[in-house]
Amino acid sequence: EDQVTQSPEALRLQEGESSSLNCSYTVSGLRGLFWYRQDPGKGPEFLFTLYSAGEEKEKERLKATLTKKESFLHITAPKPEDSATYLCAVQSTDSWGKLQFGAGTQVVVTP
Amino acid sequence: DTEVTQTPKHLVMGMTNKKSLKCEQHMGHRAMYWYKQKAKKPPELMFVYSYEKLSINESVPSRFSPECPNSSLLNLHLHALQPEDSALYLCASSQGPGSQETQYFGPGTRLLVL
Repeated sequence: EDQVTQSPEALRLQEGESSSLNCSYTVSGLRGLFWYRQDPGKGPEFLFTLYSAGEEKEKERLKATLTKKESFLHITAPKPEDSATYLCAVQSTDSWGKLQFGAGTQVVVTP
Repeated sequence: DTEVTQTPKHLVMGMTNKKSLKCEQHMGHRAMYWYKQKAKKPPELMFVYSYEKLSINESVPSRFSPECPNSSLLNLHLHALQPEDSALYLCASSQGPGSQETQYFGPGTRLLVL
């Protein structure tokens, strides 16, 4: 069965203090790995899709990377508006349409 | 444009009520989804419509009934719900099988069952 584990569960950062979130996954065959951010009471906002090991994508202060077993979301010089829960999800080649989510990492950035 | 809209934003209903949640997308996507999300948990897939064919998560109780009137609209009919069904209900869409797999989510409907 597909499994996704995110760490840490929670992360408190000072503004400007760079850090990384981890997403470890076990899947029979990877169709795609997805990163979302979610603010309280709102729907997940799409950030990145990664398809193969070695792939990297960037958007503003965020950079996502992928290996055969895990993905990292690097937050460079975070600002308070980066505070959110970051969700990682995988889709396997065996189950089109089904996203297996991790439990998320709650990030708080203080001024 | 990656917008998925959902109505209503909030809904309070009794256990004997019948209500419907609505979802719409104008991205030309051919797959639409319903998810349920409890507080501090990740979203759980309930239903998938792909090219207007339904796939069901077999653990979803029959008091939830999806309907896909056309490729851009998705409804979730609710009947005789239980208090434990209170949650954030999310709709999502994607291009469909064989295409870009990314799912785009709507803002959600916050449901409270009394």
